[in-house]
Amino acid sequence: DAGITQSPRHKVTETGTPVTLRCHQTENHRYMYWYRQDPGHGLRLIHYSYGVKDTDKGEVSDGYSVSRSKTEDFLLTLESATSSQTSVYFCAISGTTGPGELFFGEGSRLTVL
Amino acid sequence: GENVEQHPSTLSVQEGDSAVIKCTYSDSASNYFPWYKQELGKRPQLIIDIRSNVGEKKDQRIAVTLNKTAKHFSLHITETQPEDSAVYFCAASMSNTGKLIFGQGTTLQVKP
Repeated sequence: DAGITQSPRHKVTETGTPVTLRCHQTENHRYMYWYRQDPGHGLRLIHYSYGVKDTDKGEVSDGYSVSRSKTEDFLLTLESATSSQTSVYFCAISGTTGPGELFFGEGSRLTVL
Repeated sequence: GENVEQHPSTLSVQEGDSAVIKCTYSDSASNYFPWYKQELGKRPQLIIDIRSNVGEKKDQRIAVTLNKTAKHFSLHITETQPEDSAVYFCAASMSNTGKLIFGQGTTLQVKP
């Protein structure tokens, strides 16, 4: 497996609280992604990064922000969590010189009460 | 932006039969089309991919076909086995952007 870890793996929080999920890679891959997975919706892209401090929005970016201050870390922040953000969040990495195969982390299950 | 539609949402076949999953995409600039398999409780993993300069690609029992004119691509699994049971996702992207959009997924059940 590619060297990619997500933390925390499980989190339960209350509506209105801030939450940050961390994705850490040891592969020096340029591209990093955050997806959420919900039944019936597949994998939906939240934000992605194509380099340090270079990020772009995905399909469902409202309510989420990201930061990438160094190659190995990509942070996903929910400024004020809502119940609709209860989901499984997957980080993925791709390519040293260009995008291609995605390697996924193990996922982070977030429950917002 | 890119939109990917995947059908069917569920598919049940008898062991040994073939399975076909179809996807359509909206952005004619897309040129990279991977397929991922996700077993229950696991992370998605790439099983095969195709780029727009080829029409078909095979890897043992798995094949993918691409029709750029019609903007659709399909996954074919022959001689299905129980271990093929999983959720399969298609995806599309422009390879120079890295932005990969997935379809909604197909749950494949292979009955012994």
